[in-house]
Amino acid sequence: DAGVIQSPRHEVTEMGQEVTLRCKPISGHDYLFWYRQTMMRGLELLIYFNNNVPIDDSGMPEDRFSAKMPNASFSTLKIQPSEPRDSAVYFCASSLSVTEAFFGQGTRLTVV
Amino acid sequence: GIQVEQSPPDLILQEGANSTLRCNFSDSVNNLQWFHQNPWGQLINLFYIPSGTKQNGRLSATTVATERYSLLYISSSQTTDSGVYFCAVEQGHFGNEKLTFGTGTRLTIIP
Repeated sequence: DAGVIQSPRHEVTEMGQEVTLRCKPISGHDYLFWYRQTMMRGLELLIYFNNNVPIDDSGMPEDRFSAKMPNASFSTLKIQPSEPRDSAVYFCASSLSVTEAFFGQGTRLTVV
Repeated sequence: GIQVEQSPPDLILQEGANSTLRCNFSDSVNNLQWFHQNPWGQLINLFYIPSGTKQNGRLSATTVATERYSLLYISSSQTTDSGVYFCAVEQGHFGNEKLTFGTGTRLTIIP
């Protein structure tokens, strides 16, 4: 398996624009997680899904953030409208049941 | 929520030295993982170790779940070991099946 695949790897956008981050989990994994990494807050969970159903979205900062998982092989994290404080590295991870989690390479988002 | 503390926060060592990184957590856990974040930002899985001891080459890890800590040992350090080492724990209850990360130990290996 190619591992967890995220796209794009880098994204630079202007404040106010919509940003969509994409994730393809490892085939067969039933859990998918979205994390954000910043210098100030470290690695923090935004939302996670089990069998495509959102279980805990309490880490989503505000209504500008939304996440979907329309099927077992694809998830998106959308920010609309984006703000400079959203600049961070966004990681997607997946796991089989509640075992070892594997992370994608991340998307480095810069909002100017 | 559960608290995860890592020590030391920073460590600078000469190539060839050995090191021990510690992870303390405040509640019982179902899962514990160690990651290495390399200078390119990738999170590399090192160990999945909810309890016991595992070894992989120059690296080994021990988790004592009853005492709520885990240790990562790096022997004969190489410059490629530089980066940030994270411990992450998961409690396993429904609705809480997520990894909570510590703040990391930044390791710098000097040639």
